[in-house]
Amino acid sequence: KAGVTQTPRYLIKTRGQQVTLSCSPISGHRSVSWYQQTPGQGLQFLFEYFSETQRNKGNFPGRFSGRQFSNSRSEMNVSTLELGDSALYLCASSDRQNTEAFFGQGTRLTVV
Amino acid sequence: GDSVTQMEGPVTLSEEAFLTINCTYTATGYPSLFWYVQYPGEGLQLLLKATKADDKGSNKGFEATYRKETTSFHLEKGSVQVSDSAVYFCALSDRTGGFKTIFGAGTRLFVKA
Repeated sequence: KAGVTQTPRYLIKTRGQQVTLSCSPISGHRSVSWYQQTPGQGLQFLFEYFSETQRNKGNFPGRFSGRQFSNSRSEMNVSTLELGDSALYLCASSDRQNTEAFFGQGTRLTVV
Repeated sequence: GDSVTQMEGPVTLSEEAFLTINCTYTATGYPSLFWYVQYPGEGLQLLLKATKADDKGSNKGFEATYRKETTSFHLEKGSVQVSDSAVYFCALSDRTGGFKTIFGAGTRLFVKA
């Protein structure tokens, strides 16, 4: 069974641009969560989608958004990029509540 | 809200030393508890889990016991190896309001040969 796939692995963007990251969950997993990992703030929860609906949202500005498609694939978008958005963005999928999350390798975003 | 507190690192040990990484949590419900490990350049991998009080999770020589009375889930290993060098995250997931995992800040472990 293929794992969680995130694309691209690395990305360099300029301040003010926008970016879209993609996540393909493990087959059969309907919950997809996104996290931002930075050295200063650690792992912070962005949002969670289940069956195309956002069920949970972390404390991030509206520049961060996401969506989930009918095949459970998910995208997150960050608009008007700031230098502080440079981070490793991790996606995780799960097949039901209260079980472990399976993580992708992440997308390393650098904003210059 | 729910939170996880784990000991700050880095922790530096010699090979074959005993490892303890402390983790305590705050939760309103009855969460499941996890330890994840992150190797350099990688995403997180589940190391072990426990879903209810007094459960013991174990994997690759690592163990942790879900202690509801002390709200703790400390990670232990009797004899660490150089290959155990990584960042370890304690986490909880709560069934309230959908699936969300709350992570501790992470503890970096260095094991010297």
